[in-house]
Amino acid sequence: DIQMTQSPSSMSASLGDRVTITCRASQDIGNYLSWFQQKPGKSPRRMIYGATNLAAGVPSRFSGSRSGSDYSLTISSLESEDMAIYYCLQSIQYPWTFGGGTKLELK
Amino acid sequence: EIQLQESGPGLVKPSQSLSLTCSVTGYTITSGYDWSWIRKFPGNKMEWMGYISYSGSTNYNPSLKSRISITRDTSKNQFFLQLNSVTTEDTATYYCARELGGPFAYWGQGTLVTVSS
Repeated sequence: DIQMTQSPSSMSASLGDRVTITCRASQDIGNYLSWFQQKPGKSPRRMIYGATNLAAGVPSRFSGSRSGSDYSLTISSLESEDMAIYYCLQSIQYPWTFGGGTKLELK
Repeated sequence: EIQLQESGPGLVKPSQSLSLTCSVTGYTITSGYDWSWIRKFPGNKMEWMGYISYSGSTNYNPSLKSRISITRDTSKNQFFLQLNSVTTEDTATYYCARELGGPFAYWGQGTLVTVSS
């Protein structure tokens, strides 16, 4: 199975901060990387697919990027509604595997 | 608009089978796409469990070995998860989901299943 190592596992940031979360794949996954946001009591919401494509309805302050086997989700200016757990997912090879999650809290 | 909704018992005894239903509205499950089950464990780990395709073929996570079965009832536009021989480690929130242009664009609201005697 492809291992997705996500970091950090938790972080706190202030409103307006630029926030970056990273996933590293244990083998080549090309651009088959998605990011999901999950708020307490809610279903996950897809934010990014294909490593860099913004999902429908997602604010433009979210972006995805890739550098080799490292994939990043960036929030350009943190808002209170962005407090959530974020997960990456690789979908190039079954079984599809998630990163361990990043819990983003307000400082 | 497509909607997915999970249903099933919230409590299952160890060694028994867990059975969940995903009811789909707004799209016919035989028209296209793969229809997946995903679970989130206490402590936030997420696991893709498997899918049934629009044609009825299935693909399962090998970690679940022979315990899992995903089937469907096309007349009711539903698909099902059965997980056999459950243990307390199968306690999780279970979601059904569908792709669109990439994985898991649509999700159900999730259902918590607790395995306990």
